[in-house]
Amino acid sequence: DTGVSQDPRHKITKRGQNVTFRCDPISEHNRLYWYRQTLGQGPEFLTYFQNEAQLEKSRLLSDRFSAERPKGSFSTLEIQRTEQGDSAMYLCASSLTGGGTDTQYFGPGTRLTVL
Amino acid sequence: DAKTTQPTSMDCAEGRAANLPCNHSTISGNEYVYWYRQIHSQGPQYIIHGLKNNETNEMASLIITEDRKSSTLILPHATLRDTAVYYCIVRTSGTASKLTFGTGTRLQVTL
Repeated sequence: DTGVSQDPRHKITKRGQNVTFRCDPISEHNRLYWYRQTLGQGPEFLTYFQNEAQLEKSRLLSDRFSAERPKGSFSTLEIQRTEQGDSAMYLCASSLTGGGTDTQYFGPGTRLTVL
Repeated sequence: DAKTTQPTSMDCAEGRAANLPCNHSTISGNEYVYWYRQIHSQGPQYIIHGLKNNETNEMASLIITEDRKSSTLILPHATLRDTAVYYCIVRTSGTASKLTFGTGTRLQVTL
């Protein structure tokens, strides 16, 4: 069981540029979550997918943010026209429905720095 | 999901048990208590969860009071590698509900 992976691990970009992050969930996990974490705070929920359907989005997910999970496996999170306030750790988690617990397992995160 | 209250920080000597408390006085009957930890600059790591019975796994034990209004995470023999921020989260399990993280307890394990 290879765990959740995220790519890249670090990204430095200039304000106004677009960035895209990828998350590969644990194999067979049908739910995938995105969170954002700023310095000194706990992670905050952004959005989640069940299979390929995006079922919930946080108010934190402005119209510059878009997430996809086209085949129900990996997911991408794109930020357009980045701002300095987007600097954060972006975390992905996955879970498997059934069995009652739906425990989320996190990846290592992508640290974004917007200059 | 019910809110949780945790101490901001705690210290523990290496080799001793670390007991991390969590209050969740508004927990409802179908809400589980989850514990995660986050070591510096890594993603959160799942530790354990429970509904009303005490639970134990290879990482830790979870003790939930009979009224379910509080719980304690126990690391039986803390090591330096257990230094991390520990989050107690209450969540309705089985649904696709998000995890709502607070600021957690920063546990410092010392020699």
